[in-house]
Parts: sequence; C-alpha cells; structure tokens
Amino acid sequence: DTAVSQTPKYLVTQMGNDKSIKCEQNLGHDTMYWYKQDSKKFLKIMFSYNNKELIINETVPNRFSPKSPDKAHLNLHINSLELGDSAVYFCASSQAVQSTDTQYFGPGTRLTVL
Amino acid sequence: EDKVVQSPLSLVVHEGDTVTLNCSYEVTNFRSLLWYKQEKKAPTFLFMLTSSGIEKKSGRLSSILDKKELFSILNITATQTGDSAVYLCAVEKGNNNDMRFGAGTRLTVKP
Repeated sequence: DTAVSQTPKYLVTQMGNDKSIKCEQNLGHDTMYWYKQDSKKFLKIMFSYNNKELIINETVPNRFSPKSPDKAHLNLHINSLELGDSAVYFCASSQAVQSTDTQYFGPGTRLTVL
Repeated sequence: EDKVVQSPLSLVVHEGDTVTLNCSYEVTNFRSLLWYKQEKKAPTFLFMLTSSGIEKKSGRLSSILDKKELFSILNITATQTGDSAVYLCAVEKGNNNDMRFGAGTRLTVKP
C-alpha cells in the first residue's frame, strides 16, 4: 500500500491559472510537509502542519496556500501560477514534529507552467 | 512495482568510525540516484549519481553507483557527532523526474 500519495502526478497549466495538489498519508502520522525541489535537486521546505495546525511557513509567496482538512491530508493550492512555479513538489509526513523524526516522502508532482 | 530499499534502518557508531550505508533499487527507466542528509527541516542534497563506477566525493563523504547490481553506497569516514542524521536515498526515473525515496538510514554517532 502506498504510504504517502500525491495527485496529480503531472500537472501542465497556463500562467495565471489556479491549481491544487493533493497529498494523503496512511501512516497515522501527525505531521505533514510540502517541499519544492529546484533544478539542482535541492529540497526547500515550504510548509509543515502538525495535527492540522500550521507549524512552519517558510518564505513562500502568499499565492501558495496549504490546507489540511484532517491530519491525513495536506493539500497545496496555488493561485495565479507563474513560470517560476514550475518544479517538482514533494509531500512528506512524519510521526511527530521533532526534528529527529524520519520523514516519508511521496512520489512528487511535476508542475509545468506554460 | 518500484522499490528503493535502504539498509541498515539504523546504525549507532562512535566518533572516528567509518560507516557504509546501502541503497538498492528496482525501478523502471532509471535516470539517477540521489543521496540526502536529513537533520532538521529540509533534507540537504549530498550527491547525484548517474554513471556506474564513478565515485563522487565531498570531504569525508563519498558515494558510488553500481547500475548492474542496482545499488549505491554512501561512505562516511572519520565520523563526527555532526554526522548524526537520517540519510535518504532517492531514485529518479523516466524523463519527468519521477522520484522514489527510500525509508532512510538513521545514523547516530556517539562521542
């Protein structure tokens, strides 16, 4: 069974559109994350939620809005998409919010903005 | 089904020891293998390997890929307490940077 899943896998859209990426984990974890992977393969954290509450909100444009309807889901909504938003976005989860907890990653969503 | 398996799952050593972390994979349309070090928030990128037999080195860390036997190792020599972290292996497949992460190896280096 897939532990951390993301939908869609690929997303191609036009500049200015609004889109959402969904993430679900079936591990019973309390904490979920969104990362953006840049062209050099660096992973930059965007948001972290613990039990549906926002814990980390790094310097991310406010066009990006995470939503956690329950602790098993963390969705990422992006308004007014820009070319620079093109990247692979990874969702992850961990048991708790401690920095030593192992994070389990989803397969990624490749977003292409034309 | 794609698989990325890391071993051991956890490892405790003393400062000065040398450790070898393993990552084996079974994926279709392999593109590259990446190693990350996860300490606090975001995993830190270490290496990307695409060719067999070419060692990549960064200080006390080195890594090599074997595309025939489908595995990679990450070596850390003269370990220090600051090396304590979870080390993640990830495999890129296809042309669209589709990635699969392993579950990680938790390394603890004791003084």
